[in-house]
Amino acid sequence: GQNIDQPTEMTATEGAIVQINCTYQTSGFNGLFWYQQHAGEAPTFLSYNVLDGLEEKGRFSSFLSRSKGYSYLLLKELQMKDSASYLCAVRDGPYNTDKLIFGTGTRLQVFP
Amino acid sequence: GAVVSQHPSRVICKSGTSVKIECRSLDFQATTMFWYRQFPKQSLMLMATSNEGSKATYEQGVEKDKFLINHASLTLSTLTVTSAHPEDSSFYICSARSGQGKDEQYFGPGTRLTVT
Repeated sequence: GQNIDQPTEMTATEGAIVQINCTYQTSGFNGLFWYQQHAGEAPTFLSYNVLDGLEEKGRFSSFLSRSKGYSYLLLKELQMKDSASYLCAVRDGPYNTDKLIFGTGTRLQVFP
Repeated sequence: GAVVSQHPSRVICKSGTSVKIECRSLDFQATTMFWYRQFPKQSLMLMATSNEGSKATYEQGVEKDKFLINHASLTLSTLTVTSAHPEDSSFYICSARSGQGKDEQYFGPGTRLTVT
């Protein structure tokens, strides 16, 4: 079956670094996405990994290990506005189907 | 950047009535649009994939006669919740993809449906 696991909740302090892990078991794999979602709003795209390794984008980095079925999102220099849910999603199946399977999401709370 | 809009943003309807939600890609043509449902404190669940000019593909467990999807043009897809019931109350989000070679899905702002 399809299974994407993330921690339910995390807390961190402003200015700190936090790592949000995601493990997946899917029948197919064609890329992994991270999205940020504030309460009551639509998800916004953060990062995309299809090859093993680290992708860096400003304060956000994402890592992928396909052999381990594992990814993490790293947030540096945390700000209060980073308090949100972070969704890990796997593209399952052929590239042109673009079907995404979402994890349960990790609610991150940043404290002053 | 690519913008996707949804209308309405919030809707309250009575049990037994039907509600139509529109999803539009404003500055690009979307060959494929997706409809998701999200219950409180849960993640997004894909309901169906909508391809322009063809029938939608529904996920297992989603009733196609209850959730009618029409993708009549490259910029518009609609989701109609027919004979709505309180358990249909949820956050409905659409996303759009412009075509092959584009990795990203662009999400609309969502529609909060409350059925009384």
